[in-house]
Amino acid sequence: SQTIHQWPATLVQPVGSPLSLECTVEGTSNPNLYWYRQAAGRGLQLLFYSVGIGQISSEVPQNLSASRPQDRQFILSSKKLLLSDSGFYLCAWEVGSEKLFFGSGTQLSVL
Amino acid sequence: DQQVKQNSPSLSVQEGRISILNCDYTNSMFDYFLWYKKYPAEGPTFLISISSIKDKNEDGRFTVFLNKSAKHLSLHIVPSQPGDSAVYFCAASARKTSGSRLTFGEGTQLTVNP
Repeated sequence: SQTIHQWPATLVQPVGSPLSLECTVEGTSNPNLYWYRQAAGRGLQLLFYSVGIGQISSEVPQNLSASRPQDRQFILSSKKLLLSDSGFYLCAWEVGSEKLFFGSGTQLSVL
Repeated sequence: DQQVKQNSPSLSVQEGRISILNCDYTNSMFDYFLWYKKYPAEGPTFLISISSIKDKNEDGRFTVFLNKSAKHLSLHIVPSQPGDSAVYFCAASARKTSGSRLTFGEGTQLTVNP
């Protein structure tokens, strides 16, 4: 069966520090991968999606970037975090099912 | 531009009664709609979906209704149980133009009181 791993579960980082969140999917090949963010009191905002290795599409301009170095690995990064980057980050995958399957999320607090 | 809106941030119902969560959308290209349930500090889990060729889909206690002319969908939970207490997200996609990229609403916090 397919599983998705996302870590860390919580992260507290100072303003201006770098960020790297990792997501891996097991049990499937060539998934579409997504990064979403839920800011406090807000809905789920699509940040990036990828349909293959090295293929990244950004939905909104921001301080973050994404990379897909391997088929089942998706990384969310920042060189310098801002206070506004705080939120709950979710990785998700799907393979032709039109349903997204989400990871457990990372609660990022930028102080 | 919020294309999917859930105008009620919260809803409180008694156990055993019906919960009705509402969602409105503006993009007429949306042809597939889903509801997700989310507990605190966890990722959302898929609950139920409906294609635009249908106006109703039922799965156990959960029923989703779609009114295309009004660009409105709703999720009915009956009977409601305390374990249903969670944030419910409505989502939509325009499969012909954007594949499976989902646009989510802001979510509605459902509280089912024992």
